[in-house]
Amino acid sequence: DVKVTQSSRYLVKRTGEKVFLECVQDMDHENMFWYRQDPGLGLRLIYFSYDVKMKEKGDIPEGYSVSREKKERFSLILESASTNQTSMYLCASSTRGILAGLRTDTQYFGPGTRLTVL
Amino acid sequence: KQEVTQIPAALSVPEGENLVLNCSFTDSAIYNLQWFRQDPGKGLTSLLLIQSSQREQTSGRLNASLDKSSGRSTLYIAASQPGDSATYLCAVPYLNTGGFKTIFGAGTRLFVKA
Repeated sequence: DVKVTQSSRYLVKRTGEKVFLECVQDMDHENMFWYRQDPGLGLRLIYFSYDVKMKEKGDIPEGYSVSREKKERFSLILESASTNQTSMYLCASSTRGILAGLRTDTQYFGPGTRLTVL
Repeated sequence: KQEVTQIPAALSVPEGENLVLNCSFTDSAIYNLQWFRQDPGKGLTSLLLIQSSQREQTSGRLNASLDKSSGRSTLYIAASQPGDSATYLCAVPYLNTGGFKTIFGAGTRLFVKA
């Protein structure tokens, strides 16, 4: 079974702190993603990475950065946490697979990190 | 630009009822469509993935259909149980620079009453 783990389930930080959220997957997936989920807004993509040291901005990258030094690990960094970054953060991974000429791209999600910024 | 919509936003049914959740997308040029389940405060669990060439996928009491031409997918849940209570999300990937991104619907919150 694919396993995606996130470093913390719950996190409370103060405004201005630097925050690191870690995500690790054990299935050698090429793609990794960071989303945030807010009531009424659904899932929104922050950043994604399709290979080691590669990253692409998602829909809401402002205030965030990412790091992918190893294939299995994708880190989300809040350089200076703000109250509007209080949210549920979800990490996902997928294999860039081709099956019978079709893309598979099944995404597997971690359990999420509930971040509160005071 | 691809947009994904799920109707209804919330649904309450008595135990044992069969139900259908709807997902619509604006750009029919999709590679696949995925249905997820999310329990409160938890991550997403993949339920079914339908490739663009397929019409449906089945897993236990779940059946997902795909009609690309009309931009619709449905998730059919047979003989619903209280344990099915969760939020169900559909998602479609689209090609962006560097690879695929995924667009999610806002989800349908399902309550199954015992």
